Amino acid sequence: DVKVTQSSRYLVKRTGEKVFLECVQDMDHENMFWYRQDPGLGLRLIYFSYDVKMKEKGDIPEGYSVSREKKERFSLILESASTNQTSMYLCASARGLFTGELFFGEGSRLTVL
Amino acid sequence: EDQVTQSPEALRLQEGESSSLNCSYTVSGLRGLFWYRQDPGKGPEFLFTLYSAGEEKEKERLKATLTKKESFLHITAPKPEDSATYLCAVHDLFGGYNKLIFGAGTRLAVHP
Repeated sequence: DVKVTQSSRYLVKRTGEKVFLECVQDMDHENMFWYRQDPGLGLRLIYFSYDVKMKEKGDIPEGYSVSREKKERFSLILESASTNQTSMYLCASARGLFTGELFFGEGSRLTVL
Repeated sequence: EDQVTQSPEALRLQEGESSSLNCSYTVSGLRGLFWYRQDPGKGPEFLFTLYSAGEEKEKERLKATLTKKESFLHITAPKPEDSATYLCAVHDLFGGYNKLIFGAGTRLAVHP
């Protein structure tokens, strides 16, 4: 069974803390994505990566960075968490450049106090 | 600006009561339109891809259709297990590869 696994389902952090969200996929997909999902706003793309060490900004990259050192792993980093980054974070992977068939992880719900 | 609007925001149906969800979109050029299902506390799960007006796709009680400005997800004789949030997304031909624009979703509740 193909899988995208996010390391933490629930996190509570304090303002100013550094936060790491990890994502691993076992489908050998070239493309990986980080989205955030907020009520009424839909999914918004933070960053995506189309190859190891390659990354592209999405619609809302401010306050975030990413790392892709291995094909199967894509990490999202919040350098200094703020309360407006409280959200559900979803990792996804996909094969090919122009596909809308994304495979999502179960999400990481982050609360910043 | 690319935009995807889903309606209604929420829909409550009785088991067996057929209905449709709407996804209207504005893009420079449509590369594809995608439907996802999301259960509470889970990530979205891919359902369908539609590429051109007139195209239809079916899966069990779900049928997705596409026109030049909107897509419909028809649910025939729904069951309680069809309760979920249904998300629509579009891929703009000129929006850069792998950049999907998602709607906010329709929360569907099917009661026995």
